[in-house]
Amino acid sequence: QKEVEQDPGPLSVPEGAIVSLNCTYSNSAFQYFMWYRQYSRKGPELLMYTYSSGNKEDGRFTAQVDKSSKYISLFIRDSQPSDSATYLCAMTPMNYGGSQGNLIFGKGTKLSVKP
Amino acid sequence: DVKVTQSSRYLVKRTGEKVFLECVQDMDHENMFWYRQDPGLGLRLIYFSYDVKMKEKGDIPEGYSVSREKKERFSLILESASTNQTSMYLCASSFGISTEAFFGQGTRLTVV
Repeated sequence: QKEVEQDPGPLSVPEGAIVSLNCTYSNSAFQYFMWYRQYSRKGPELLMYTYSSGNKEDGRFTAQVDKSSKYISLFIRDSQPSDSATYLCAMTPMNYGGSQGNLIFGKGTKLSVKP
Repeated sequence: DVKVTQSSRYLVKRTGEKVFLECVQDMDHENMFWYRQDPGLGLRLIYFSYDVKMKEKGDIPEGYSVSREKKERFSLILESASTNQTSMYLCASSFGISTEAFFGQGTRLTVV
């Protein structure tokens, strides 16, 4: 079983839809969770960063972590064509840093928002 | 804002050439990383460094080496480029306690 599983999509939605992107993981030591957005031919940019279980909201974006189910989600409300990108989840255990520093990434979900 | 700058956006090299990819970050981050990204395979860690002159192998170090002589600069070296090293290469940096990694814009390397 891979450490982080993410549906690669592609996912196509109409403008204004609510989008739900998800990752599951197997390592219960993961404590920090991140979502990155990557536009075509660009580097990933950090979108959301959460620690442990719960929700975090930033504008139209909400990150949700359910540690009991080992499941994280990113919700995008009122989706826009400019949200069309690949979204990668990433996570790391609490002792991240120094020689143990290593983020584990999902493979990314490609999202297309149609006008 | 954190800035991670990769020296080239696009590179075309010949098989057997020695290739240098340079990365500079301006936020005094301790950790620096080199990934490659391929369709269907996602991001794969090649090497990372948690301090000057320190390096550790990632998941796919074969055919690569790295150098970190200064804190802000992390170089990836392809000793003898091969066609299977054609890929998007991404550099990233992070501060030890704050775990987010910040990425450069990527270098699209084609080996012919």
